[in-house]
Amino acid sequence: GAGVSQSPSNKVTEKGKDVELRCDPISGHTALYWYRQSLGQGLEFLIYFQGNSAPDKSGLPSDRFSAERTGGSVSTLTIQRTQQEDSAVYLCASSHRVGGYGYTFGSGTRLTVV
Amino acid sequence: SQQGEEDPQALSIQEGENATMNCSYKTSINNLQWYRQNSGRGLVHLILIRSNEREKHSGRLRVTLDTSKKSSSLLITASRAADTASYFCATDAYSGGGADGLTFGKGTHLIIQP
Repeated sequence: GAGVSQSPSNKVTEKGKDVELRCDPISGHTALYWYRQSLGQGLEFLIYFQGNSAPDKSGLPSDRFSAERTGGSVSTLTIQRTQQEDSAVYLCASSHRVGGYGYTFGSGTRLTVV
Repeated sequence: SQQGEEDPQALSIQEGENATMNCSYKTSINNLQWYRQNSGRGLVHLILIRSNEREKHSGRLRVTLDTSKKSSSLLITASRAADTASYFCATDAYSGGGADGLTFGKGTHLIIQP
């Protein structure tokens, strides 16, 4: 596609429920990244994928968070048993590959846990 | 972890004036990038400066990099109301041996008064 597409754009969920956030990167971009941004804060790195290599999960805040990338393209970030502190904007970005390239960001998913 | 630190946190100037934002970082980098964010959603890549470059221009933007001081500045000349946004610096420390993606600062919120 022409840009990075994220869905849904907004999600309100009850505490304890599971949510899935989707990211469709730019075609041909082999690197895909997930970040989280709380209100008025900077971006917190969560996870990145480079091609078919095992992802770097070093930024995931807890074992309730997981992500996968199927066929080197679309990625899904799953949060199990959501907590109120999970409320944030979840941003996905892609780049040609890791290192030395600018990122193209999607518009994000605003997650609100009530 | 927070690598880049922007200064100031907030800046308000009159339309037509120049706006200068600074960024300091702690570790060696491959390149440094600046992004703009409107309304708390997706970030837009503005400019990338590599560690062996000292200055770079793009339209009304001028970026400098001083690796000895581990600092960068972003200058926006002849500011316009549409430049009102948050500006983030991001450091890329990728060296080919694995990376955790770009590390972002908390941003400078720029307001251009008409």
